[in-house]
Amino acid sequence: DAGVIQSPRHEVTEMGQEVTLRCKPISGHDYLFWYRQTMMRGLELLIYFNNNVPIDDSGMPEDRFSAKMPNASFSTLKIQPSEPRDSAVYFCASTRGYREKGEQFFGPGTRLTVL
Amino acid sequence: GQQVMQIPQYQHVQEGEDFTTYCNSSTTLSNIQWYKQRPGGHPVFLIQLVKSGEVKKQKRLTFQFGEAKKNSSLHITATQTTDVGTYFCAASGANSKLTFGKGITLSVRP
Repeated sequence: DAGVIQSPRHEVTEMGQEVTLRCKPISGHDYLFWYRQTMMRGLELLIYFNNNVPIDDSGMPEDRFSAKMPNASFSTLKIQPSEPRDSAVYFCASTRGYREKGEQFFGPGTRLTVL
Repeated sequence: GQQVMQIPQYQHVQEGEDFTTYCNSSTTLSNIQWYKQRPGGHPVFLIQLVKSGEVKKQKRLTFQFGEAKKNSSLHITATQTTDVGTYFCAASGANSKLTFGKGITLSVRP
């Protein structure tokens, strides 16, 4: 298995632009998580899906952030408009049966820089 | 939600020394997980502890879950340069959300 795939790996954009981050979870996994990592705040859970349905989006910082999972093999995290404080590494992770085993598999991350 | 604390955030050791770090919660945890993130990399799952007092070993790494299930420890025997990275604990509580600690970044002097 290729593992969790994220694209792009690096994104540099200007303030006000729309940014779309993409994630392909491991086949067969029914949970997908989006995290943001910064030096100041550490690893924060933004939102997670179960069977393509958003379960908890309480970690989404504000309305500028939105996430979708149109099918079991694809999810997007969109920031519109982007701001410099959104600069961070965004990780996608997936797992099968969240409480059953618990291990989350992380993708390589997208390093976002907003100028 | 569940919160876990890891203090300090940085630790430096000489290669060959032992290293121990702790993860603490004010509430009882259903389970605790440990992850390692190498510099520039992504978190990688190491272990999950579920039972009170549970101890698990992976080569030079020993993980323990406290009797009250409110804390956990990670002990590395005879550190090597390959142990460099950030070690996170993560806990899931009644709401099934996984919450990560801030992590401890370990550096090893050769």
